[in-house]
Amino acid sequence: DIQMTQSPSSLSASVGDRVTITCRASQSISTYLNWYQQTPGKAPKLLIYAASSLQSGVSSRFSGTGSGTDFTLTISSLQPEDFAAYYCQQSYGTPLTFGGGTKVEIK
Amino acid sequence: QVKLQQWGAGLLKTSETLSLNCAVYGVSLSAYHWSWIRQPPGKGLEWIGETNHGGSTNYSPSLKSRVTISVDPSKNQVSLNLSSVTAADTAVYYCASGRPGGWFDPWGQGILVTVSS
Repeated sequence: DIQMTQSPSSLSASVGDRVTITCRASQSISTYLNWYQQTPGKAPKLLIYAASSLQSGVSSRFSGTGSGTDFTLTISSLQPEDFAAYYCQQSYGTPLTFGGGTKVEIK
Repeated sequence: QVKLQQWGAGLLKTSETLSLNCAVYGVSLSAYHWSWIRQPPGKGLEWIGETNHGGSTNYSPSLKSRVTISVDPSKNQVSLNLSSVTAADTAVYYCASGRPGGWFDPWGQGILVTVSS
């Protein structure tokens, strides 16, 4: 199985901050990397697919970069609705696997 | 617009079989793959497996011996059965549309399944 490691597991930030979350794969996955946002009690929502493509309807303050084994999700200016958990997911091979998640909390 | 609506029993006893359904609206089952994903309370996401409209399946090795995912094209529905459940299977279970590149969008609303002894 391809292991996905996210860091940090949690972070505290203020509205307006620039936030970066990293995801590392245990082997090269090209750009088969996707990012989701999950607010409490809700299903995950797709933000970024194929490492850097912004899902339709998602704010442009979200961006993704990376290829191979190292990837980042950046929120350019944190908004109140962005306080949530974020997960990366590899779609290079089955079983499809997720990172452990990053919880973004209000400072 | 694709929408997924889930239903099924939310409380089970140890050794029973979990059975959940997912109705797909706005698109034919033939358009995408269909996955089940679960999330234990307070924890991360785990992919259970997937199917396509023809009934071909692919399961996570860790659950393969207990999982069956099936489709009913006449009803545009996908189903999940997980046998011999234990407390470790307590989780919110989601169905999700699997896009060709392997990402999931959209997801169903999720159902909390609790296994008690």
